[in-house]
Amino acid sequence: GENVEQHPSTLSVQEGDSAVIKCTYSDSASNYFPWYKQELGKGPQLIIDIRSNVGEKKDQRIAVTLNKTAKHFSLHITETQPEDSAVYFCAASPNTGKLIFGQGTTLQVKP
Amino acid sequence: DSGVTQTPKHLITATGQRVTLRCSPRSGDLSVYWYQQSLDQGLQFLIQYYNGEERAKGNILERFSAQQFPDLHSELNLSSLELGDSALYFCASSVAGQRNEQFFGPGTRLTVL
Repeated sequence: GENVEQHPSTLSVQEGDSAVIKCTYSDSASNYFPWYKQELGKGPQLIIDIRSNVGEKKDQRIAVTLNKTAKHFSLHITETQPEDSAVYFCAASPNTGKLIFGQGTTLQVKP
Repeated sequence: DSGVTQTPKHLITATGQRVTLRCSPRSGDLSVYWYQQSLDQGLQFLIQYYNGEERAKGNILERFSAQQFPDLHSELNLSSLELGDSALYFCASSVAGQRNEQFFGPGTRLTVL
């Protein structure tokens, strides 16, 4: 069935370091891969997304890569800041509109 | 602020009761999605509406139902509530039905006692 695995579940980095979160999806029909940041008490906020016809996308300190053959996609955050601390979710959409979410990664950036 | 509004913010009720959660999508968005977020299940897709019509169904219980009205706002009805229904319920909206960015509301926290 449709499944998205996300690793690691928790990640602690020093301010200024890079953080990488990885996801694997099962449905080969998936063609849209967004990443969300969720802060305590708030709804998920879309931070970046990538579509299946693109291998990499960058937006300032955030980048996402997609390997369709391996069904892997990753989020890279460079020069991390304390305000990057939050729970990050990857998701995959199998062309039906609905999003299948990973389990989430709690990122802690230590000042 | 995503532009998606949800009411109420918090809801506390008893087992066996029925509640209605309301969502207003971003201006111009035709699609509305409902998700449930719990500690053990994570974020789970429940149901999608597009311009008033049901478009896709996920792991939505038979005790739960939803609809989208002509003004595009949506309501999620939860009945015969059980303790396990306690969760955050999010609404998201997008311009169209497929492969479009989904923007989430602030959620409704439901507590069933």
